[in-house]
Amino acid sequence: AQTVTQSQPEMSVQEAETVTLSCTYDTSESDYYLFWYKQPPSRQMILVIRQEAYKQQNATENRFSVNFQKAAKSFSLKISDSQLGDAAMYFCAYCTGGSTLGRLYFGRGTQLTVWP
Amino acid sequence: EPEVTQTPSHQVTQMGQEVILRCVPISNHLYFYWYRQILGQKVEFLVSFYNNEISEKSEIFDDQFSVERPDGSNFTLKIRSTKLEDSAMYFCASHPTKFTDTQYFGPGTRLTVL
Repeated sequence: AQTVTQSQPEMSVQEAETVTLSCTYDTSESDYYLFWYKQPPSRQMILVIRQEAYKQQNATENRFSVNFQKAAKSFSLKISDSQLGDAAMYFCAYCTGGSTLGRLYFGRGTQLTVWP
Repeated sequence: EPEVTQTPSHQVTQMGQEVILRCVPISNHLYFYWYRQILGQKVEFLVSFYNNEISEKSEIFDDQFSVERPDGSNFTLKIRSTKLEDSAMYFCASHPTKFTDTQYFGPGTRLTVL
């Protein structure tokens, strides 16, 4: 069974500093995709970044980057130059193809607080 | 930029009543999903829908739930007889032809069952 684990229920960071959110997953598949979604207080789910498992290069999107360690099944999110608007719940998610047709499995989330 | 829309944003209902949650996926998308998030908990998959039929459903998606795409644009989730534990945020998501593409989420419908 696919599981996604986020071991940090809460994290905090000072504005302009860097923070890393952890995520591990368990799968027997070789082809899959990983995502980080952000959920602000409005509860809208917003895609932050995605990573294809077959790509060795870590994905980056502006201030957001990932450290994808396939052998360790680890997928952490680094937020550089943190801004007040980054404060939100962050969910790590996994999906595979095949019969599950893109069903997403989510972790329990990490609540990020950004201090001014 | 196209987006997934959901209505209503908040629905309050009495236990035992039927509710229909509506979603309009992005127009060229072919794969549709419903997820739910009970307050303070993780997002859980309910059902996936492709080619006018259910592709997969979770153990949560029992006989009280149904989905349909009645007119080629709307995608609805019906709960026949709501229970208190159905209170949650319900998210619709969609993605285009390639099933491993990113899923785009709607803003959610908050369902409160009294």
